[in-house]
Amino acid sequence: DAMVIQNPRYQVTQFGKPVTLSCSQTLNHNVMYWYQQKSSQAPKLLFHYYDKDFNNEADTPDNFQSRRPNTSFCFLDIRSPGLGDAAMYLCATSTGGTGNSPLHFGNGTRLTVT
Amino acid sequence: AQTVTQSQPEMSVQEAETVTLSCTYDTSENNYYLFWYKQPPSRQMILVIRQEAYKQQNATENRFSVNFQKAAKSFSLKISDSQLGDTAMYFCAFMKPLAGGTSYGKLTFGQGTILTVHP
Repeated sequence: DAMVIQNPRYQVTQFGKPVTLSCSQTLNHNVMYWYQQKSSQAPKLLFHYYDKDFNNEADTPDNFQSRRPNTSFCFLDIRSPGLGDAAMYLCATSTGGTGNSPLHFGNGTRLTVT
Repeated sequence: AQTVTQSQPEMSVQEAETVTLSCTYDTSENNYYLFWYKQPPSRQMILVIRQEAYKQQNATENRFSVNFQKAAKSFSLKISDSQLGDTAMYFCAFMKPLAGGTSYGKLTFGQGTILTVHP
């Protein structure tokens, strides 16, 4: 089945140690999003790509960066994780085309910072 | 900027009964999309139902239906014949298209409502 896959499901990193989360999609969607969701809160958009065009949210910390080497893959890099970066990170995709096309979410990666 | 408000942090319902989750939003846009997403504990966020703002007819998907009141900026979700599997966090979400006539946009989520269905 076409889907959005996030790896790993659980990630533990140390304070200040760089970490990379990955997302892949078989939907061939143009748009890929990264959301941060802290416990029992609403997901918060960090950034998104339309094809190779990168769009950063104004309040996304500089500590967070992203790469999209091709249509299928997108990475979230956290350069120096702090304790406050512990959260669920959700990847989502959409066609970005005509009509009411919803976002498709992956299972998420739960990041723990020790 | 758009805001989405879900005023019910938690709701509970008995199995087979009906429950309504509330959502209001604030926007000056005329063209937008509204969604309800469901996030079961430790599981994937999935789409429940969607509505285009230009459509007056309320969307329905099996046991799920919405009451969309554009003038009041209200978008409530009704779940009929509640099932144990409906237990989840429910998020109301708003999307303003970034390109006209497309679904390219950014979702703004409400704070969520935790729904528990009791046997």
